[in-house]
Amino acid sequence: DAGVIQSPRHEVTEMGQEVTLRCKPISGHNSLFWYRQTMMRGLELLIYFNNNVPIDDSGMPEDRFSAKMPNASFSTLKIQPSEPRDSAVYFCASSLWGSNEKLFFGSGTQLSVL
Amino acid sequence: AQTVTQSQPEMSVQEAETVTLSCTYDTSENNYYLFWYKQPPSRQMILVIRQEAYKQQNATENRFSVNFQKAAKSFSLKISDSQLGDTAMYFCAFMIIQGAQKLVFGQGTRLTINP
Repeated sequence: DAGVIQSPRHEVTEMGQEVTLRCKPISGHNSLFWYRQTMMRGLELLIYFNNNVPIDDSGMPEDRFSAKMPNASFSTLKIQPSEPRDSAVYFCASSLWGSNEKLFFGSGTQLSVL
Repeated sequence: AQTVTQSQPEMSVQEAETVTLSCTYDTSENNYYLFWYKQPPSRQMILVIRQEAYKQQNATENRFSVNFQKAAKSFSLKISDSQLGDTAMYFCAFMIIQGAQKLVFGQGTRLTINP
């Protein structure tokens, strides 16, 4: 398996633009997590899904952020409109619910909002 | 709610030395896992070591070992014979053993190994 695949690796956009980050989890995994990493706040859990259903989105900072998982092999995190303070590294991770196996992380998307 | 605290923002040692990174956590749960993740400049999150709270024996992985003190809620990472490739951010993390593998991370320690 290729692991958790995130795209794009880097994204530079202007304030006010819509940004969509993509994630393909490991095949067979049924839990998916979106994390955000910043210098000030470290790694924060934004939202996670189980069997494509959002379970906890309490970490989503504002209504400008939304996440979807239309099927078991794809998830998106959208920011609309984007702001400079959204600049961060966004990680996607997947696992098998309840298995107590480790979480597998993607390589992250570095987002810069100018 | 669970919290994880890493009190050392940065550390620096010479190659081949031993270094210990500190981590404390707060939880009312009894069954959980603790982790150390390494994040090199490549940005990849790499699992270094995992400790189950119900196990008294400290986990070890080659040059990496932990000192797990459950009563004190302390979980330090010891790196022996440090190598240049150990230079990275190190994150301590906590996870409840139930359902989803939600990780709560500490703020991280930037470790530099000097030649």
